[in-house]
Amino acid sequence: EVQLVESGGGLVQPGGSLRLSCVASGFTFSNYAMSWVRQAPGKGLERVSAISDGAVDAFHADSVKGRFTISRDDSRGRLYLEMSSLTTEDTAIYYCAKEYIRRIPGTPDYNWFDSWGRGTLVTVS
Amino acid sequence: DIQMTQSPSSLSAPVGDRVTITCRASQSISDYVNWYQQRPGKAPKLLIYAATTLERGVPSRFSGRRSGTSFTLTITSLQPEDFATYYCQQTYNAMYTFGQGTKLE
Repeated sequence: EVQLVESGGGLVQPGGSLRLSCVASGFTFSNYAMSWVRQAPGKGLERVSAISDGAVDAFHADSVKGRFTISRDDSRGRLYLEMSSLTTEDTAIYYCAKEYIRRIPGTPDYNWFDSWGRGTLVTVS
Repeated sequence: DIQMTQSPSSLSAPVGDRVTITCRASQSISDYVNWYQQRPGKAPKLLIYAATTLERGVPSRFSGRRSGTSFTLTITSLQPEDFATYYCQQTYNAMYTFGQGTKLE
């Protein structure tokens, strides 16, 4: 059974930093792209960062570019999100999500999040 | 950026009813749309991927359709456990934009 368990959230002052972790189990972690998706209180979902299998490519949404860094440790089955220069706008539940990619020659890849963790709450105040 | 306009934002229906939720993409995105269900206090759960394919283990009362840049999620014969918030998502580009959500009550 796939399990994703996030940790590292908490209360931090504006301008502060935080490091989130996600421990993965139940699948071959190194074979999958992973993402961090956040949800501000009472709001919708926003994919903030992603990293490919093998850490070849990384993506950061414009809202966090230059402040957040995603990384992974395949030997330990862990995903990380380093967050700095935090603002109140970053207050949210942060979910770790496993990405499934279906590759069909001649077309863009199909992607979806097939497993999610329970999330960790980051409060910037 | 690709915008996903989801409607309605909320919907009330009784158990046993049929409901449809719509997402319209701001540009052509083929069938690169997924649907998720989120129950209160829980993580989202994948229901449908590639616009029409039901995720394994999801009840067959859920279905997805595409017509041009319009995508629909239909739930036939609503069950008590279906009352939740539903999100569409485009994965045509790297932004992976989500719709604003539809709360089904």
